[in-house]
Amino acid sequence: QKEVEQNSGPLSVPEGAIASLNCTYSDRVSQSFFWYRQYSGKSPELIMSIYSNGDKEDGRFTAQLNKASQYVSLLIRDSQPSDSATYLCAVKEGNQFYFGTGTSLTVIP
Amino acid sequence: NAGVMQNPRHLVRRRGQEARLRCSPMKGHSHVYWYRQLPEEGLKFMVYLQKENIIDESGMPKERFSAEFPKEGPSILRIQQVVRGDSAAYFCASSPNSYEQYFGPGTRLTVT
Repeated sequence: QKEVEQNSGPLSVPEGAIASLNCTYSDRVSQSFFWYRQYSGKSPELIMSIYSNGDKEDGRFTAQLNKASQYVSLLIRDSQPSDSATYLCAVKEGNQFYFGTGTSLTVIP
Repeated sequence: NAGVMQNPRHLVRRRGQEARLRCSPMKGHSHVYWYRQLPEEGLKFMVYLQKENIIDESGMPKERFSAEFPKEGPSILRIQQVVRGDSAAYFCASSPNSYEQYFGPGTRLTVT
């Protein structure tokens, strides 16, 4: 059974702080990883993809991947109230994508 | 460039009726995925299709559920003889390359 685990939160950070979201996965052969943002009652929105070990930066977002530890994280710098949402980690394995249950983030003004 | 379209957005069916959910992928995307999401649960993969082909339907119940993606027209997820347990949000996602996925707004199915 492939598993993608996320701390459900809620995670609260003050505006302007760094929010750190973590995800672990069970399948060592997984090669492709994704972060999505989902606002309440809305559909998931792709934030970033990462395929290689290390860091990948896009604006205020940085994804970090460590395949040896089976760990992928998302850092959000200068957090804004509009970042308040649920963040989903997804892992591609073969033809399928496995999603975590998400971490709820609240950015406090 | 229009995003992924799904309709209807809300669908109410009585037990035993059929539900038909439609998904039009983004222009240029030939990969379509269907997911089901229950409250407090993650997205669960159901089926992966390319034009006229079902690539992987291992996440979809063998009975009552079917999916298609014809050469012309939208992808359709069909649920026959719906039961209360089918009530959920159903999301479609399209992709240009089977990696990055772009989700539609979802169809909220309620079975009464």
